[in-house]
Amino acid sequence: QVQLVQSGSELKKPGASVRVSCKASGYTFTSYAINWLRQAPGQGLEWMGWINTDTGNPTYAQAFTGRFVFSLDTSVSTAYLQISGLKAEDTAVYYCARGRFDSSGVPDYWGQGTLVTVSS
Amino acid sequence: DIQMTQSPSSLSASVGDRVTITCRASRGINNYLAWFQQKPGKAPKSLIYAASSLQNGVPSRFSGSGSGTDFTLTITSLQPEDFATYYCQQYDTYPRTFGQGTKVEIK
Repeated sequence: QVQLVQSGSELKKPGASVRVSCKASGYTFTSYAINWLRQAPGQGLEWMGWINTDTGNPTYAQAFTGRFVFSLDTSVSTAYLQISGLKAEDTAVYYCARGRFDSSGVPDYWGQGTLVTVSS
Repeated sequence: DIQMTQSPSSLSASVGDRVTITCRASRGINNYLAWFQQKPGKAPKSLIYAASSLQNGVPSRFSGSGSGTDFTLTITSLQPEDFATYYCQQYDTYPRTFGQGTKVEIK
């Protein structure tokens, strides 16, 4: 069965960096995109962007350019989200979600989420 | 960016009720509209894509309709496990954008 398993919660100080992983199983990793989404405490969902797992090409929403980087290790079917220069407002749950190439990357399966807390 | 507006923001309903949630896009998005369900403390679950196509394993009491700018999610007979927050998302244009959510509560 399709599974996306994300790394555990992180507590970081402002200015630090964090890397969230998303390990896929149950399907051919390079046949589907990986979306990244954010949900701040008590707020709605926000699409950060996606990465084409076949080409490695990332697409970022404007609000997530500069400090946010999507990457892949296809040898272990894992996608990564790295955030540098963390700010308090980056405190959120970060989700990865598999995206259907035949439907413009729309999510179908989701990871369980990773809580990133930024606090001094 | 395309703005997605859901209504209502919340509703109270009973088990067995028919529930309809609407989602309006600020400009036409063809049928590139998805619906998601989220329960407290859990990851979202994908319900519908392409406005009306059910994702694998989604019960048939869920249905979607619409095109252009106006879309609806209908739950024909609300079950206890359906009490949750529902989000629409357009994936016609970058950045993909979500509605603010509709919380379905028990009456």
